[in-house]
Amino acid sequence: ETGVTQSPTHLIKTRGQQVTLRCSSQSGHNTVSWYQQALGQGPQFIFQYYREEENGRGNFPPRFSGLQFPNYSSELNVNALELDDSALYLCASSSITDEQFFGPGTRLTVL
Amino acid sequence: AQSVTQLGSHVSVSEGALVLLRCNYSSSVPPYLFWYVQYPNQGLQLLLKYTSAATLVKGINGFEAEFKKSETSFHLTKPSAHMSDAAEYFCAVRPPGNQFYFGTGTSLTVIP
Repeated sequence: ETGVTQSPTHLIKTRGQQVTLRCSSQSGHNTVSWYQQALGQGPQFIFQYYREEENGRGNFPPRFSGLQFPNYSSELNVNALELDDSALYLCASSSITDEQFFGPGTRLTVL
Repeated sequence: AQSVTQLGSHVSVSEGALVLLRCNYSSSVPPYLFWYVQYPNQGLQLLLKYTSAATLVKGINGFEAEFKKSETSFHLTKPSAHMSDAAEYFCAVRPPGNQFYFGTGTSLTVIP
């Protein structure tokens, strides 16, 4: 059984650019959640996808968007990057009612 | 509104001493509660979870937590700290629904 994987591991972008982060969910899981973890903070919920539909969203602007594919993998897209978007982005997969299993994260640096 | 408060952003204990990490939550309905551990440059690993069964929950690596509804607390303990326990610990609450709310974390240092 493979765990949750994320790519890339690290990414450096400049302000105004766009970025796409990818997540492969754990086998058997149909739900993917994305979190932003700023340095020294706890993870903040961005949104969740269940069976390819958005199923809840945190307090993030529309320039944060996502997709879930038929194989339940997922993408997080961020447009018009700002310096404050620098963070560790975590993906977690689960069955809809079970605990979440986290990937190692993508470290995004915006210069 | 849901929230999680972790008292003490940094906790230091001696190797072999008791570990106590505090977590209080606010939730309008009985939630599910979780403790996760995060090692440097890694994702979060589930230590234990409370899902309305036994109030004393045992997790991995010798950790346990007790759900106290009257105190809205879910403190994490371990009788004897090990050097490998040094990490960041996060308490999380999941009220009915799917969104997790995390605390700001407690960094545990274990002194040899």
